Amino acid sequence: DADVTQTPRNRITKTGKRIMLECSQTKGHDRMYWYRQDPGLGLRLIYYSFDVKDINKGEISDGYSVSRQAQAKFSLSLESAIPNQTALYFCATSDSQGRGEQYFGPGTRLTVT
Amino acid sequence: AQSVTQPDIHITVSEGASLELRCNYSYGATPYLFWYVQSPGQGLQLLLKYFSGDTLVQGIKGFEAEFKRSQSSFNLRKPSVHWSDAAEYFCAVDSSYKLIFGSGTRLLVRP
Repeated sequence: DADVTQTPRNRITKTGKRIMLECSQTKGHDRMYWYRQDPGLGLRLIYYSFDVKDINKGEISDGYSVSRQAQAKFSLSLESAIPNQTALYFCATSDSQGRGEQYFGPGTRLTVT
Repeated sequence: AQSVTQPDIHITVSEGASLELRCNYSYGATPYLFWYVQSPGQGLQLLLKYFSGDTLVQGIKGFEAEFKRSQSSFNLRKPSVHWSDAAEYFCAVDSSYKLIFGSGTRLLVRP
């Protein structure tokens, strides 16, 4: 089984709808991250969490919110989706003992029409 | 501010030829540097990392990278490319336990 899983893998939604992307990990890591990938822009950090009670905004948090339900679960929500949130979204985890090395899920492709 | 630049958007090489992907970083202190690979439809996989010590680091799949502080570079190399290496490659720098990524280089491999 994959160490970092994301659901759904693909989603098409309409402008104004609320949508939640979920991430689960079995690596036992404390730190979790949400990124979005856009062509030509690489990956940009949306939110990150260093433990269950710690939530921090990343580079592009506007229009997004997150919830860290447990050490293993970190969800990303779009309260009112807009077309420029169409992107590939990745969840990642890292060990608090390490420095920088992150483990990525397979991604969720989100299309907002 | 910290940043990572990958100047080549696309690179095409013939199978069996050597490869070098460029990465330049901007970071005030000693950087922690990474190369990740993203195969089509997949997440990112770590190829190699540099934290300190030997400036030439070896990674998986026959890749290596050289850290050059004087040039603020961390270029990725492979002596002989295989068709399965076709993918997108990302350089990243750690900034307080968060990664800052470059915009990526897409590698195409000619048969």
